[in-house]
Amino acid sequence: AQSVTQPDIHITVSEGASLELRCNYSYGATPYLFWYVQSPGQGLQLLLKYFSGDTLVQGIKGFEAEFKRSQSSFNLRKPSVHWSDAAEYFCAVAAPDSWGKLQFGAGTQVVVTP
Amino acid sequence: DAGVTQSPTHLIKTRGQQVTLRCSPISGHKSVSWYQQVLGQGPQFIFQYYEKEERGRGNFPDRFSARQFPNYSSELNVNALLLGDSALYLCASSRERAGNQPQHFGDGTRLSIL
Repeated sequence: AQSVTQPDIHITVSEGASLELRCNYSYGATPYLFWYVQSPGQGLQLLLKYFSGDTLVQGIKGFEAEFKRSQSSFNLRKPSVHWSDAAEYFCAVAAPDSWGKLQFGAGTQVVVTP
Repeated sequence: DAGVTQSPTHLIKTRGQQVTLRCSPISGHKSVSWYQQVLGQGPQFIFQYYEKEERGRGNFPDRFSARQFPNYSSELNVNALLLGDSALYLCASSRERAGNQPQHFGDGTRLSIL
């Protein structure tokens, strides 16, 4: 069965420290990959996406993600976290033949401490 | 351009009632999808509409229905509401119906069932 796994439900990080959020997927073919962020009471904002090509992709707000085919992973990173990065982060995938239907992971809640 | 707009922002209903949620996509976007996000979980796909026709349906009962209008706006209807229907309902739009088309989300409608 197709699945998207975010192993970390909750992560606490100090402001200025680096952040890495994990995402693993199980799909028959390499899907299209996305990271979204959700602030409290708001919808989802697209941070970055991977379709093909360079496996390191840059997104908005200083985020980047690396696609590793051998590990079926698409981990999100940020070198230095700001207090405004506190939010919930969702990894999402779309099968190439899904016509845009997204399957989301359960999300990772990020707390930023002073 | 304005983003995806949803109305109302909040709604309180009682069990057994019916509800209609509305979504206006980004100008020029022809595809509209609906997602249900229960508290503490990632969004779950409900429907996709493209060019006024249903193009995809998630694992939701027939109490859930939707439609898309000639101006590409959309409505989600839920009949015979259950307590478990309490959730954030998200609408997303994309320019075309394809897996590599980023989905742009609205801020959602928070539905509470008493």
